[in-house]
Amino acid sequence: DTVMTQSPATLSVSPGERAALSCRASQSVGTTVAWFQQKPGQAPRLLIYRASNRATDIPARFSGSGSGTEFTLTISSLQSEDSAVYYCQQYDNRPFTFGPGTKVDIK
Amino acid sequence: EVQLAESGGGLAQPGGSLRLSCAASGFTFSSYSMIWVRQTPGKGLEWVSYIGKRGSTIYYADSVKGRFTISRDNRKNSLYLQMNRLRDEDTASYFCARAYCSNDICFGLPEFWGQGTLVTVSS
Repeated sequence: DTVMTQSPATLSVSPGERAALSCRASQSVGTTVAWFQQKPGQAPRLLIYRASNRATDIPARFSGSGSGTEFTLTISSLQSEDSAVYYCQQYDNRPFTFGPGTKVDIK
Repeated sequence: EVQLAESGGGLAQPGGSLRLSCAASGFTFSSYSMIWVRQTPGKGLEWVSYIGKRGSTIYYADSVKGRFTISRDNRKNSLYLQMNRLRDEDTASYFCARAYCSNDICFGLPEFWGQGTLVTVSS
């Protein structure tokens, strides 16, 4: 199985600052990585697919990059509503595994 | 608007069974593969099962293979997950999701999610 790891586990950022979240795959998955945002009591929401493509209605402050085994989700100017847990997922090979998540707190 | 509504969760005993349903609306159900994902506080998000548009392509996570059965009824715009021989570790919120598809090819990527239904396995 492809193991997805994420760092840091928790990130505390001030409004307006930039946040960079890391995701690493245990083997190459090309660009078949997605990022999700989950707020308490809600289902995950797709932010980024194919490593760098924003999903429908996702603000431009969210961007993704990377390929192979190293991926990054960047929030360019953090807003209060961005407080959430962010997960990466690989969908290159079964089972389609998720990372453990990075919790983003607003200072 | 894509809407997915899960039902059928609840309390089951170890070794028991439950059947989850997911009612879909707002899109052409038969044109999309569908996915079940579960979430626990301890293990996070876990992909459970995938079914192709016509139901002929099916995949399971090893943790549920041989115990869970995914199915769909395209006439009723509904997705199902029959869960047998339940274990304590199956306790989770179960989400149905529409797979991301591009150029008529669907992937194991959950694009739109329902709100989930809670399954608790306990004696």
